[in-house]
Amino acid sequence: LAKTTQPISMDSYEGQEVNITCSHNNIATNDYITWYQQFPSQGPRFIIQGYKTKVTNEVASLFIPADRKSSTLSLPRVSLSDTAVYYCLVGSPSGSARQLTFGSGTQLTVLP
Amino acid sequence: DAGITQSPRHKVTETGTPVTLRCHQTENHRYMYWYRQDPGHGLRLIHYSYGVKDTDKGEVSDGYSVSRSKTEDFLLTLESATSSQTSVYFCAISGRQGEAEQYFGPGTRLTVT
Repeated sequence: LAKTTQPISMDSYEGQEVNITCSHNNIATNDYITWYQQFPSQGPRFIIQGYKTKVTNEVASLFIPADRKSSTLSLPRVSLSDTAVYYCLVGSPSGSARQLTFGSGTQLTVLP
Repeated sequence: DAGITQSPRHKVTETGTPVTLRCHQTENHRYMYWYRQDPGHGLRLIHYSYGVKDTDKGEVSDGYSVSRSKTEDFLLTLESATSSQTSVYFCAISGRQGEAEQYFGPGTRLTVT
């Protein structure tokens, strides 16, 4: 099982760029890296997914180094509404659902 | 947002009573999942389904059973609820097994007294 390790919490200020790093040392060859966002009293929401190098969408960027043992979610110019828990997840579309493991997540607090 | 609903959204029940939670999807996705979320534990997979009448156990399946008689519905049953099953339960769907891109429902908050 590819377990993930993230910081428990991070604080930032409005307008800053935030980088959240996830460690996944035993990631398998076929595993993708996926990030979710969760607001209180809501279900997690898919943000971004990648396999290697860099992926960017309208919400975030995902940086994955060549060894793929870690990944960094980058949120540009955060606002108060980005305060949420962010989860890193690794898994393969060809693998078992039992191998998908959510970690405890990172509580991001954006301050005014 | 993906068409996923959960019912009930909130429930309080007594220890020893049976409880059934329902997940309904309108996306025609093959794979459906039940998770529980507790403080300090993140999300943990209870059971999942890879088709009608096809289910398998997840990480924390003891005390839970599931059924899927139609593509759109996935039921989670606590045969005899215990206080340790007080939690928030989320249903999710995906297009492929092991797919990390899942779409989650709004959750059901269950309290067992």
